[in-house]
Amino acid sequence: QVQLVESGGGVVQPGKSLKLSCAASGFTFSPYALHWVRHAPGKGLEWVAFISFDGSNEYYADSVKGRFTISRDQSKSTIYLQMNSLRVEDTAVYYCARTNPAAGYYFDVWGQGTLVTVSS
Amino acid sequence: DIQMTQSPSTLSASVGDRVTITCRASQNINSWLAWYQQKPGRAPKLLIYKASTLDSGVPSTFSGSGSGTEFTLTISSLQPDDIATYYCQQYNNFPWAFGQGTTVEIK
Repeated sequence: QVQLVESGGGVVQPGKSLKLSCAASGFTFSPYALHWVRHAPGKGLEWVAFISFDGSNEYYADSVKGRFTISRDQSKSTIYLQMNSLRVEDTAVYYCARTNPAAGYYFDVWGQGTLVTVSS
Repeated sequence: DIQMTQSPSTLSASVGDRVTITCRASQNINSWLAWYQQKPGRAPKLLIYKASTLDSGVPSTFSGSGSGTEFTLTISSLQPDDIATYYCQQYNNFPWAFGQGTTVEIK
């Protein structure tokens, strides 16, 4: 069964750090690009970060550039999101999602999400 | 950056009604558009990609059309299980962008 499972969310104070993980299973990890997409309370979906199939390219939304870092471990079929200097407005459910570069950058598989709450 | 605008923001219809949601892009995105369904507390689910191709397992009551800058998602006969928020997403250019969402309710 194709699956993405996020973990690592929680409550954190403004200015602190948190690291999210997303473990993939049920498919061959290496050909796929992976992303983080977030859903803040009462708002729409926002794409956050991208990592290419081989980890050689990373892209970020302007709202997180310089604060968040995406990475992947091919041996563990896992991607990560290191979030530093967290702000109240980073509060959201964070989803990892898969895209197939050969087919186009639409998100065909999503994880169940992990909630990040930034609050003092 | 490309902006995606959906209308309406909220839609109320009766079971069995035909429902149409519009998505407009601020510039030409060819047919590189996807539609997602998100139910409360759940992850988004891919419905349609390349503007009109149904993802595997998606009921044929859903259809998509359009190209360039204007796109539509149609539900031919609204069912109670279709109550959700629907999002369009362009993948023609980086950064990938979603519309603000359309919430579909039962009247």
